[in-house]
Amino acid sequence: QLHLQESGPGLLKPSETLSLACTVSGGSMRYSRSSWGWLRQTPGQGLTWIGAKSYDGLTEYHPSLKSRVAISLDTFKNQFFLSLDAVTAADTAVYYCSKSAEVNGGAEDWGPGIQVTVSS
Amino acid sequence: DIEMTQSPSSLPASVGDSVTISCRASQSIGTNLNWYQQKPWTAPRMLISSVSKLQSGVPSRFRGFGSGTDFSLAITNLQPEDFATYFCQQTDRVPPSFGQGTTVDVK
Repeated sequence: QLHLQESGPGLLKPSETLSLACTVSGGSMRYSRSSWGWLRQTPGQGLTWIGAKSYDGLTEYHPSLKSRVAISLDTFKNQFFLSLDAVTAADTAVYYCSKSAEVNGGAEDWGPGIQVTVSS
Repeated sequence: DIEMTQSPSSLPASVGDSVTISCRASQSIGTNLNWYQQKPWTAPRMLISSVSKLQSGVPSRFRGFGSGTDFSLAITNLQPEDFATYFCQQTDRVPPSFGQGTTVDVK
């Protein structure tokens, strides 16, 4: 059973960079032909797909975030990462990491989520 | 972006009822439609992929159908653990997008 777990700071100030990690256990990223991605959820905006990166390097990002976001994989450490630059209060959300069969596919496995708040 | 519209937003029901949730896409998405269930303070869980494919462990009382722009999730013989919020998601075009959710709550 695959388990994903987000980690990172829960509180940032406006203009800072959000850096989150997702640690995968119960399976190896190196031998998995999967895609690894991030989503977020707010009460007002609902669920938003942020982006994903496949095992072979294909990457897709949400067009509204593309200029600020990057997803990277470290398959040797069984981790993947989200970087979101220049955060504002609008980036306050619960962030989830996920595994999909394809880079723009449905999220088959999810981490429990991490609350990130942007406030001065 | 493809807009996904769910109805109703709230669905009061009782144990044993049969309910249906609708999801409409702003353009044709073929069969690239998934359904998720979310309970309070937990992550969403994929129930159904590709319109009608039940994920492992999902009871057969859940059924998905539709194609093109109109889709539905039907739950028969509603069980206590089925009271939750349900989301549809299209994965036909980037960015994958979600409906706003339908909450099935106790009547």
